[in-house]
Amino acid sequence: SQTIHQWPATLVQPVGSPLSLECTVEGTSNPNLYWYRQAAGRGLQLLFYSVGIGQISSEVPQNLSASRPQDRQFILSSKKLLLSDSGFYLCAWSRRLNTEAFFGQGTRLTVV
Amino acid sequence: AQKITQTQPGMFVQEKEAVTLDCTYDTSDPSYGLFWYKQPSSGEMIFLIYQGSYDQQNATEGRYSLNFQKARKSANLVISASQLGDSAMYFCAMRELTGANNLFFGTGTRLTVIP
Repeated sequence: SQTIHQWPATLVQPVGSPLSLECTVEGTSNPNLYWYRQAAGRGLQLLFYSVGIGQISSEVPQNLSASRPQDRQFILSSKKLLLSDSGFYLCAWSRRLNTEAFFGQGTRLTVV
Repeated sequence: AQKITQTQPGMFVQEKEAVTLDCTYDTSDPSYGLFWYKQPSSGEMIFLIYQGSYDQQNATEGRYSLNFQKARKSANLVISASQLGDSAMYFCAMRELTGANNLFFGTGTRLTVIP
């Protein structure tokens, strides 16, 4: 069966510090991978998606970047965090573009 | 314009009763998929049910069913025989064929099951 791992579960970082959130998928190959952000009490906003190694598409301009160094690894990064980067970050994968997405446990990021 | 609209910020239901969570969508794409997710307090997004735009039958998964009314562009989630563990946020989402890389989410409905 397929599983998705996302860590850490919670993170408190000072403004201006770097960020690296990692997501890995097991049990499938060549998944489509996604990073979403959820503001408090809101729905999810797509940040990045990837259909293959090294292929990253950004949906919204922001202080973040994403990389896919391996087929089943997706990393969300920032060089300098802003207060507005606080939120709940969710990694997800899907088999094909038009199928359901399966989500990781999420990372609650607080920038102080 | 909002792709997905959930007009009920919060809903209450008595345990063992059925409840309907509303969802309307907006798209000009003839091919799309509709999804419902449950988000408990832990934060994880749990996939519940899927309805394709060309599906003739309403989707069902256990106690979940999707009341798909294509002409009205609505995809309401029906939960039968509510349980205390159903208390959570519920999100409706849509994926269009032309923009198939993105799941558009509604703002969610918080369901509280009352014992």
